[in-house]
Amino acid sequence: ETGVTQTPRHLVMGMTNKKSLKCEQHLGHNAMYWYKQSAKKPLELMFVYNFKEQTENNSVPSRFSPECPNSSHLFLHLHTLQPEDSALYLCASSPTGTSGGNEQFFGPGTRLTVL
Amino acid sequence: DQQVKQNSPSLSVQEGRISILNCDYTNSMFDYFLWYKKYPAEGPTFLISISSIKDKNEDGRFTVFLNKSAKHLSLHIVPSQPGDSAVYFCAALSSGSARQLTFGSGTQLTVLP
Repeated sequence: ETGVTQTPRHLVMGMTNKKSLKCEQHLGHNAMYWYKQSAKKPLELMFVYNFKEQTENNSVPSRFSPECPNSSHLFLHLHTLQPEDSALYLCASSPTGTSGGNEQFFGPGTRLTVL
Repeated sequence: DQQVKQNSPSLSVQEGRISILNCDYTNSMFDYFLWYKKYPAEGPTFLISISSIKDKNEDGRFTVFLNKSAKHLSLHIVPSQPGDSAVYFCAALSSGSARQLTFGSGTQLTVLP
């Protein structure tokens, strides 16, 4: 596997379910990100991890819980979600979260539908 | 309030002609700008970038222009090809320690054969 992979690619869950999204990067990067993309809206940054430490939480509701066990893996744990949380969830990585000018590499995303 | 704006949600261009995608920003602290391309069912892929110390960067068929005084950048694709049909996102990095990307809402480009 190369680049950034995300599983599952599609997820349908009820509001009382608990599920997790997984992201893995094979690029040797030290920073990983979770973004949310809703229809016709810009990508919204949710969380940033730099060297496994969370450095950014953009006022995300506690029903979204990130976990970064190492620099290659990032999880987003979901519980008691709302229908408005239905969106495309994208994971990205970059060499480091603070270096200048480096682009982020994105995974294919998980299409989440909350019923 | 959106700091990076792409005011055209869609653009259609004939194959072989020039595509011009526009992006405006409001934050003077942005010092690096990127364009990403996104196909359906795939994540965004990096296309081209420009530092705020430059006003033009070219890579093959793709050229990005930056007008700092107008806080405006544009992506030119010439000649346009049907495979260029995708959503194009403009993104900006701010100077300082927290260099996070701020994205625009995207422009759907359709290149007609």
